[in-house]
Amino acid sequence: EAQVTQNPRYLITVTGKKLTVTCSQNMNHEYMSWYRQDPGLGLRQIYYSMNVEVTDKGDVPEGYKVSRKEKRNFPLILESPSPNQTSLYFCASRYSGGVNTEAFFGQGTRLTVV
Amino acid sequence: DAKTTQPNSMESNEEEPVHLPCNHSTISGTDYIHWYRQLPSQGPEYVIHGLTSNVNNRMASLAIAEDRKSSTLILHRATLRDAAVYYCILRTSKTGANNLFFGTGTRLTVIP
Repeated sequence: EAQVTQNPRYLITVTGKKLTVTCSQNMNHEYMSWYRQDPGLGLRQIYYSMNVEVTDKGDVPEGYKVSRKEKRNFPLILESPSPNQTSLYFCASRYSGGVNTEAFFGQGTRLTVV
Repeated sequence: DAKTTQPNSMESNEEEPVHLPCNHSTISGTDYIHWYRQLPSQGPEYVIHGLTSNVNNRMASLAIAEDRKSSTLILHRATLRDAAVYYCILRTSKTGANNLFFGTGTRLTVIP
């Protein structure tokens, strides 16, 4: 089954404690991205990757890092989480090239930073 | 990116058709119209997309106005499972990142 898998689904952490949210896709997609969703603000893109070793900032990259060492994985790293990063996070993937492609989303990771 | 305008919310009775409108008056000739929906506690999922002609798939139909400044997502028989937030998105080839700009969408309530 084609899917994007995020882990963990729920995470509560303390300010400043480094964490990683993993994302993996089994569709051999080149393009992967991370979004955060906040009430009243909708989904906003954090980072994206066009292919292995190619990453770039989205609309709200501050406080986040990503890496793309393998095609299937695109982890989101919070080096020093702060309460304003409490949010619902989604990973997405799709084939690159053109605007005629469908994006697949993970189930989400609900992060609370206290 | 060209933006879209959707009503904040709509209601429908179960098993009746639903027409979800979207205005995109600044659409360019190469922009595709995509629809996604987000069920409660889930990630967004693709519904349908089109360029100029009306499109049908197993989930829905997409009717595109002749001038392409508006479109309508049609659910032929709404079920309780169709209760979700529906997003109308323009995918532009001008933006290298091809970011999906979701906006606030239309929250569809299906009444049993």
